[in-house]
Amino acid sequence: KNQVEQSPQSLIILEGKNCTLQCNYTVSPFSNLRWYKQDTGRGPVSLTIMTFSENTKSNGRYTATLDADTKQSSLHITASQLSDSASYICVVVYSSASKIIFGSGTRLSIRP
Amino acid sequence: GAGVSQSPSNKVTEKGKDVELRCDPISGHTALYWYRQRLGQGLEFLIYFQGNSAPDKSGLPSDRFSAERTGESVSTLTIQRTQQEDSAVYLCASSPWGGNSNQPQHFGDGTRLSIL
Repeated sequence: KNQVEQSPQSLIILEGKNCTLQCNYTVSPFSNLRWYKQDTGRGPVSLTIMTFSENTKSNGRYTATLDADTKQSSLHITASQLSDSASYICVVVYSSASKIIFGSGTRLSIRP
Repeated sequence: GAGVSQSPSNKVTEKGKDVELRCDPISGHTALYWYRQRLGQGLEFLIYFQGNSAPDKSGLPSDRFSAERTGESVSTLTIQRTQQEDSAVYLCASSPWGGNSNQPQHFGDGTRLSIL
């Protein structure tokens, strides 16, 4: 069964600190991997998209990495801000269809 | 507006009633997706439209669920004879192209459906 698993489920850090969120997947074949940010009560917003051949992609204070050999990805947030409090969702897109598998997300809380 | 618009934003209805949810995608986006998000859970794929056709309906949970799209624009998701287990947020997304393209999906803010 294809799966996308994220860890930790939840995380609390102090404002200004860095953090790293993890995503492991078993989806095969693989087209691209995405990270989304979802604020409470809102739809997800795309942060990064990485293809099979890309190892890293940045979007401001967000940096995603991808190791296609080990099927692992991470999202690193630098110098966290209160507005970073949200759920971060890892998404893997199949190569063979329009199927898109969403992880359950990591709920991040930034404390002042 | 320039984004994906969904209506209503909230819907409360009695078990057994039919409901219709609407999605207005970004103009010109050919791909449209419907997802369901239960409280505290990840998004579940329901159906994907390329233009007005639905090449992938595999995520629809039962024959009580149906969706259509017209004019390569507006889409409606209909749930007949609603059950309490249908309570969730229903999210719509659109993108310029569908399938496994590398273009991001743009999401609406969803319709929060509560079945009493």
